[in-house]
Amino acid sequence: NAGVTQTPKFRVLKTGQSMTLLCAQDMNHEYMYWYRQDPGMGLRLIHYSVGEGTTAKGEVPDGYNVSRLKKQNFLLGLESAAPSQTSVYFCASTSGQGSQPQHFGDGTRLSIL
Amino acid sequence: SQKIEQNSEALNIQEGKTATLTCNYTNYSPAYLQWYRQDPGRGPVFLLLIRENEKEKRKERLKVTFDTTLKQSLFHITASQPADSATYLCALANDYKLSFGAGTTVTVRA
Repeated sequence: NAGVTQTPKFRVLKTGQSMTLLCAQDMNHEYMYWYRQDPGMGLRLIHYSVGEGTTAKGEVPDGYNVSRLKKQNFLLGLESAAPSQTSVYFCASTSGQGSQPQHFGDGTRLSIL
Repeated sequence: SQKIEQNSEALNIQEGKTATLTCNYTNYSPAYLQWYRQDPGRGPVFLLLIRENEKEKRKERLKVTFDTTLKQSLFHITASQPADSATYLCALANDYKLSFGAGTTVTVRA
């Protein structure tokens, strides 16, 4: 039971570099989410998807882009990394709305120098 | 704007005691409230869900209450054990998006 898998687990980037974080789920869930977690601030929603081919902005979308070309994958892109994007990024998926639990990956720890 | 506040201080308790965590919210009328556990270096793991028309929910040693008048949820861990040491997050939802509190870190001393 893999659940939600995030790749990579750690990454260090220089300011201005770009990269893509990959999230894969094997539970056939419709809804997928990208969050960032910073000390003392809780999880904040970056972007989300309610189904294959759809994406929408969350609370803190600036500087990020996403794609959901396949139902099981949700990609988060940083076009030009900034030090303010240093954070831990979590991906989650769920089968339904607020009445269903979200299943999280173990995160990607990203440092921007 | 909506605001979700959890105990700002970490909670240190003796094994066997009950830990009580609070989750207060403003400018929000959630239909559901969820609680998650997060261990260091890991993603959150779902524990319990309570609906707006439910007052209390139990699962083994865990109990959650939901008071929509006070805009507050209480999360209790009874007969606490060192293995219960973790950060606990509350999350509110109306549709398919969750809004999370910052979490409360609980340490249970043997």
